Amino acid sequence: DAGITQSPRYKITETGRQVTLMCHQTWSHSYMFWYRQDLGHGLRLIYYSAAADITDKGEVPDGYVVSRSKTENFPLTLESATRSQTSVYFCASKVGGQSTDTQYFGPGTRLTVL
Amino acid sequence: RKEVEQDPGPFNVPEGATVAFNCTYSNSASQSFFWYRQDCRKEPKLLMSVYSSGNEDGRFTAQLNRASQYISLLIRDSKLSDSATYLCVVNRADSWGKLQFGAGTQVVVTP
Repeated sequence: DAGITQSPRYKITETGRQVTLMCHQTWSHSYMFWYRQDLGHGLRLIYYSAAADITDKGEVPDGYVVSRSKTENFPLTLESATRSQTSVYFCASKVGGQSTDTQYFGPGTRLTVL
Repeated sequence: RKEVEQDPGPFNVPEGATVAFNCTYSNSASQSFFWYRQDCRKEPKLLMSVYSSGNEDGRFTAQLNRASQYISLLIRDSKLSDSATYLCVVNRADSWGKLQFGAGTQVVVTP
């Protein structure tokens, strides 16, 4: 019962490099989300997806790209990493579109951009 | 103004004591309310949903006050394992899955 996994768990990269964070869930949940968490801020939504091939911007999408060719995968790409993108990134999923549905989070990826 | 605001704490609580803290939200269209727990920057996990009539889950009691736009969490008989950051989470009626997170309230239970 793997649930939702993220890889890598830790990543150090340099400014200007492209980085892809992976998210995989085994529940076949329709909805998936990417958040970033920074000190002093709550989790902020970067992108979300309601189903395969359907994605939309969240609160802080600039500098990020997502894709969802398969229901179980939702990779997040930083096209040209900047220091301000140093953060902890959480992927989440939920089964349906009800506002009351629980979101389940992956373990997070701690990204440092030098 | 942030959409969801919380006292960051920390709330230092002796083991066995009761602690309570609030969270305010600014959007009156908010529909669903939750408390999540987060340990040491690990992934958030749902602690409990908050219902209009208030609800209890063991030692945890959540209340919703729509008129004043706040929710509260009360922890009775605190355990060392309750030490964590508690995230207040709100879902607007017009944003089915897009949760708004508070920055969290840190609780430290001491022996």
